[in-house]
Amino acid sequence: GAGVSQSPRYKVAKRGQDVALRCDPISGHVSLFWYQQALGQGPEFLTYFQNEAQLDKSGLPSDRFFAERPEGSVSTLKIQRTQQEDSAVYLCASSSTGTGRNEQFFGPGTRLTVL
Amino acid sequence: AQKVTQAQTEISVVEKEDVTLDCVYETRDTTYYLFWYKQPPSGELVFLIRRNSFDEQNEISGRYSWNFQKSTSSFNFTITASQVVDSAVYFCALRESARQLTFGSGTQLTVLP
Repeated sequence: GAGVSQSPRYKVAKRGQDVALRCDPISGHVSLFWYQQALGQGPEFLTYFQNEAQLDKSGLPSDRFFAERPEGSVSTLKIQRTQQEDSAVYLCASSSTGTGRNEQFFGPGTRLTVL
Repeated sequence: AQKVTQAQTEISVVEKEDVTLDCVYETRDTTYYLFWYKQPPSGELVFLIRRNSFDEQNEISGRYSWNFQKSTSSFNFTITASQVVDSAVYFCALRESARQLTFGSGTQLTVLP
């Protein structure tokens, strides 16, 4: 079956522009996560959804970052007024249940470059 | 707070050599899960293994093996008879009661022909 997909794969934005990054999780997966991966670093947690509920957004670096998952499936991560420090790969992952036991399946990521 | 340390930033080996990637973690929870992921140049994180804190049995899967030792808070990963296709960045990760993963900084493994 299809894995996690993300679009666009690459995004170049001018500083100050708004961007929207999309994640299509594996069908039927309850949990959805967003991570930010800076160059040469491990992914860092941004936010977590269980179905349509955003249960944890403690990793969002500022109020310019906003995520939604209105129907409990596709999710969008929006970054307003992008800054150069927002340049990173944004990874989406999904998991079949809401427990902590199951592995997370990752998408290919969106590489965001802010000029 | 939880923390994962991968002290080896880069490792280079010649094909067919064995290589061990180290992972040390910190947690206050008694129930937790440990993971290893592989990130090839394409960028997608590929799940390799999950262990829970109550199962310290070592595991072998083909050329891969994992050594989990709670006494030293380590979860090391060994590739036997390495191959060029094993070249990638490998991440160790920890999950506590919260559902998100805490990753180490990764180890870049290069296997030379």
